[in-house]
Amino acid sequence: DIQMTQSPSSLSASVGDRVTITCRASQGLSNSLAWYQQKPGKAPKLLVYVASRLESGVPSRFSGSGSGTDYTLTISSLQPEDFASYYCQQYYTIPWTFGQGTKVEIK
Amino acid sequence: QVQLQQSGPGLLKASQTLSLTCAISGDSVSSNSAAWSWIRQSPSRGLEWLGRTYYRSKWDSDYAPPVKSRITINPDTSKNQFSLQLNSVTPEDTAVYYCAREAYTSGGYYCGVDVWGQGTTVTVSS
Repeated sequence: DIQMTQSPSSLSASVGDRVTITCRASQGLSNSLAWYQQKPGKAPKLLVYVASRLESGVPSRFSGSGSGTDYTLTISSLQPEDFASYYCQQYYTIPWTFGQGTKVEIK
Repeated sequence: QVQLQQSGPGLLKASQTLSLTCAISGDSVSSNSAAWSWIRQSPSRGLEWLGRTYYRSKWDSDYAPPVKSRITINPDTSKNQFSLQLNSVTPEDTAVYYCAREAYTSGGYYCGVDVWGQGTTVTVSS
């Protein structure tokens, strides 16, 4: 299985901050990488797929980048509704696997 | 708008069989641009993809190796739904279980898990 390692596991930030979350895969993914946002008690929500393509309806302050084994989710200006947990997922090889998550908390 | 509605029991004893159903509205279980999956989440294991079923000229399925010997995911075209069966559960199977849609473009490119059910908390006691 492909192992997905996210960093950091948690971070504290203020409204308006630029936030970057990193995901590293145990092997190259050829951009087969998605990002999800999850709020407490809710199902995850798709934000980005193919490493950088924004899902319909997702605000443009979210962006994805990367290649090979290293990928990044950036929130350009953190908003109150963005405080949540974020997960990466590889879909290069079955079984699909997820990172362990990054919790974004209010500073 | 595609919606998934989960149903099934949330309390089980070890060695029993977990059975959950996911009813689809706004799409078809036989769609050539979707796969229908089960994903679970627990504090100890995080998000864990369990498997999926899909139709591409014929029905097929994929399963995660850790559960492959115990899991079955079946479509039900008459009710437009799909189901999860996990045999011989243990307390380690305690988790929130989600049904979900994996979307594909018309060209067959994966677009991520774009629709999720509401989640079912499953607790397995010893």
